[in-house]
Amino acid sequence: EDQVTQSPEALRLQEGESSSLNCSYTVSGLRGLFWYRQDPGKGPEFLFTLYSAGEEKEKERLKATLTKKESFLHITAPKPEDSATYLCAVQPPGGSEKLVFGKGTKLTVNP
Amino acid sequence: GAGVSQSPRYKVAKRGQDVALRCDPISGHVSLFWYQQALGQGPEFLTYFQNEAQLDKSGLPSDRFFAERPEGSVSTLKIQRTQQEDSAVYLCASSLVGYGGYTFGSGTRLTVV
Repeated sequence: EDQVTQSPEALRLQEGESSSLNCSYTVSGLRGLFWYRQDPGKGPEFLFTLYSAGEEKEKERLKATLTKKESFLHITAPKPEDSATYLCAVQPPGGSEKLVFGKGTKLTVNP
Repeated sequence: GAGVSQSPRYKVAKRGQDVALRCDPISGHVSLFWYQQALGQGPEFLTYFQNEAQLDKSGLPSDRFFAERPEGSVSTLKIQRTQQEDSAVYLCASSLVGYGGYTFGSGTRLTVV
């Protein structure tokens, strides 16, 4: 069964304290890996898609990287508004467009 | 509209009652998805449509769950004879074909009492 494991479950940072979130997956023949951000009471918001090992994407203070078995979401000098749950998802091989999500990492950035 | 619209935002149902949840996707988005999100968990896939065709319903937990998208636009997720374990947030998302960067709605929070 396709599995996506995110760690840590929760992370508390001080404003400006850089860190990384991890997403490991067991899918063979990955078609894509996705990062989403989810604020309380809202649906997930798309951040990045990565397709192949070695690929990197950046947006403001966030950078996503991909290896053959895991992805990292690096957060540089975070601000309180970066507080959210970050979800990782993979698109398994086959014809379906469905995504398999991890449980997420809840990030809190204190001022 | 500018985003994916879901209604109602909140629904309280008595156990055994039937419910219908509506999703209005972004205009022009061919693919439409339903996910179920329990508290503290990631979204779990239920079903998806390409236009009016339901291409994958492998995630529907039982035959009490039924989804339709008759004209390839608005979709309805129907749950018959609701049970307490159906309590969750039901998320709808839409996208262009072959693109995993979905746009999600804010969801419908279903509470079965």
